[in-house]
Amino acid sequence: EVQLVESGGGLVKPGGSLRLSCAGSGFDVSPNAMNWVRQAPGKGLEWVASISSSSSYLYYAPSVKGRFTISRDNAKNLVYLQMNSLGAEDAAVYYCARQEREYASPVVPFDMWGQGTMVTVSS
Amino acid sequence: QSVLTQPPSVSGAPGHRVTISCTGSSSNIGAGYDVHWYQQLPGTAPKLLIFRNINRPSWVPDRFSASKSDTSASLAISDLQADDEADYYCQSYDKSLSGSLFGGGTRLTVL
Repeated sequence: EVQLVESGGGLVKPGGSLRLSCAGSGFDVSPNAMNWVRQAPGKGLEWVASISSSSSYLYYAPSVKGRFTISRDNAKNLVYLQMNSLGAEDAAVYYCARQEREYASPVVPFDMWGQGTMVTVSS
Repeated sequence: QSVLTQPPSVSGAPGHRVTISCTGSSSNIGAGYDVHWYQQLPGTAPKLLIFRNINRPSWVPDRFSASKSDTSASLAISDLQADDEADYYCQSYDKSLSGSLFGGGTRLTVL
């Protein structure tokens, strides 16, 4: 089955770090811009970060800029989200989502989403 | 202002029609950026419902339609069915954000 599979979520203390991974299963993610989107419990969707296919272009939401880093390893068919200085406001289900274009273009929707991985921030 | 505003909830009886609005500003929808819509069924990941303002993926029935005008967009669902109960999100690009922006989401209840 063609899908995106996230992993790496879990419980982390405030101020801690976590690295999430997103794997393409059954297809190659290398041609695609990839995104991370999060959803706090009972809340709406919030775009977090995007990365172009060659990693040349990186974009971040203001709420995570300077703390989170998006990256990818096309040889391993993986996309990552390194999250540092985590706070309670970062607790959410984190989804990775694909765009069927090389760059994170406004005209291209997020056409495939993973099932999400939960991040809990608590002491 | 980097906000897309949706009504928190809408409801309708089976067989009826509902619309969900998405109001933006001159930095997103009003700047000409496309609007996409997603459906999130309870306990699942979002799924693309409408892309580039009016287009439906092949899996989406034609009961779902959408439009865009000036600084707003709208999703219409006709012939409501029980399994349409879900959260619906609009999305656009915001030039102030230099990234994607989602509406706050609208919960559809089929009475």
